[in-house]
Amino acid sequence: KAGVTQTPRYLIKTRGQQVTLSCSPISGHRSVSWYQQTPGQGLQFLFEYFSETQRNKGNFPGRFSGRQFSNSRSEMNVSTLELGDSALYLCASSLDGSNSPLHFGNGTRLTVT
Amino acid sequence: AQSVTQLDSQVPVFEEAPVELRCNYSSSVSVYLFWYVQYPNQGLQLLLKYLSGSTLVKGINGFEAEFNKSQTSFHLRKPSVHISDTAEYFCAVSKSNAGKSTFGDGTTLTVKP
Repeated sequence: KAGVTQTPRYLIKTRGQQVTLSCSPISGHRSVSWYQQTPGQGLQFLFEYFSETQRNKGNFPGRFSGRQFSNSRSEMNVSTLELGDSALYLCASSLDGSNSPLHFGNGTRLTVT
Repeated sequence: AQSVTQLDSQVPVFEEAPVELRCNYSSSVSVYLFWYVQYPNQGLQLLLKYLSGSTLVKGINGFEAEFNKSQTSFHLRKPSVHISDTAEYFCAVSKSNAGKSTFGDGTTLTVKP
């Protein structure tokens, strides 16, 4: 079974631009979560989608948004990029998000200059 | 809200020595507990999980953890480490939805020859 796939692996953007990250979950997994990982803040929960609906949301500004498609694939969008958005963005999928453990992708490394 | 404290940010040990990585959590309700490992430039991989039942949980790569409800701890142990165990280890807790997990700040395990 293929693992969680995130594209692209690396991105370099300029302040003020917007960016879209993509995540393909493990086949059969219906829950997709997004996390931001930085040296200073560690792993921070962004949001979780289940059956195309946002089920949980972390404490991030509205510039961070996401969506999930009918095939469970998910995208995350960050608008008006700031230097502080530089981070590793990790996508994780699970069967149904209840007590099923998370399966992580290798992440997208976003650098904002 | 739940929180997770990993008591050691860095743990250096010699090869074949035992190791314990400590994790305390706080929550007013029953939780699910997880340990994940992250190798450089990769996402996180599940080591083991505690959902219910036996308090001693065995995971992959020879790791095990013990859930202690009275001390709200979930320490990770391995009786004999290898060089390949060098990585960052994260303890995570969730209430009813593992998709929205709270992670500790991580412990960097460095195994020296």
